[in-house]
Amino acid sequence: QQQVKQSPQSLIVQKGGIPIINCAYENTAFDYFPWYQQFPGKGPALLIAIRPDVSEKKEGRFTISFNKSAKQFSLHIMDSQPGDSATYFCAASSGGSARQLTFGSGTQLTVLP
Amino acid sequence: GAGVSQTPSNKVTEKGKYVELRCDPISGHTALYWYRQSLGQGPEFLIYFQGTGAADDSGLPNDRFFAVRPEGSVSTLKIQRTERGDSAVYLCASSLSAGSTGELFFGEGSRLTVL
Repeated sequence: QQQVKQSPQSLIVQKGGIPIINCAYENTAFDYFPWYQQFPGKGPALLIAIRPDVSEKKEGRFTISFNKSAKQFSLHIMDSQPGDSATYFCAASSGGSARQLTFGSGTQLTVLP
Repeated sequence: GAGVSQTPSNKVTEKGKYVELRCDPISGHTALYWYRQSLGQGPEFLIYFQGTGAADDSGLPNDRFFAVRPEGSVSTLKIQRTERGDSAVYLCASSLSAGSTGELFFGEGSRLTVL
């Protein structure tokens, strides 16, 4: 019940495309859903996060869509660039904080020039 | 430095040896977290501290793993009798406070290889 399932495992898009990464969860106590970006040899860095009281949040080229009834959320990257090539992780936690994050297994995104 | 600092960046040890991994959080951050990331996987929660005390150590896999933060700043993750399955990148993160949605800032990790 603590798992967060992420798909796809890898994704290749052309520059300017809109990659979409999906996550699903079971634990209805989860109430904080961040996305992290990780480059090789680096630690994860927070991209954007959402709470279940809104269905969409946008920050720059990154958008989270959230479907509470389906227990699913997704990351969309608009106008993707080669510099966006990285591994993306969704995560979830409860108690309204980022104290104990449960991460998905990651999506390796490649944006071709 | 401005970010979370972890040392060593790489550690190779033999099965059965004792290992210590150090984390120096961002100045002023009261919450500190340890995660473990195996190859091709997402980080897995181990333990977090609010101040000097371990507020939640439910992610530690067994009693070979222990972490301390004696003065509420630097933390050390200690692994006794290392096993090959302990090989992973150990990530440390800090945040202003554990009770909020304050952003977690991760270090670059300590890569542990147990031969």
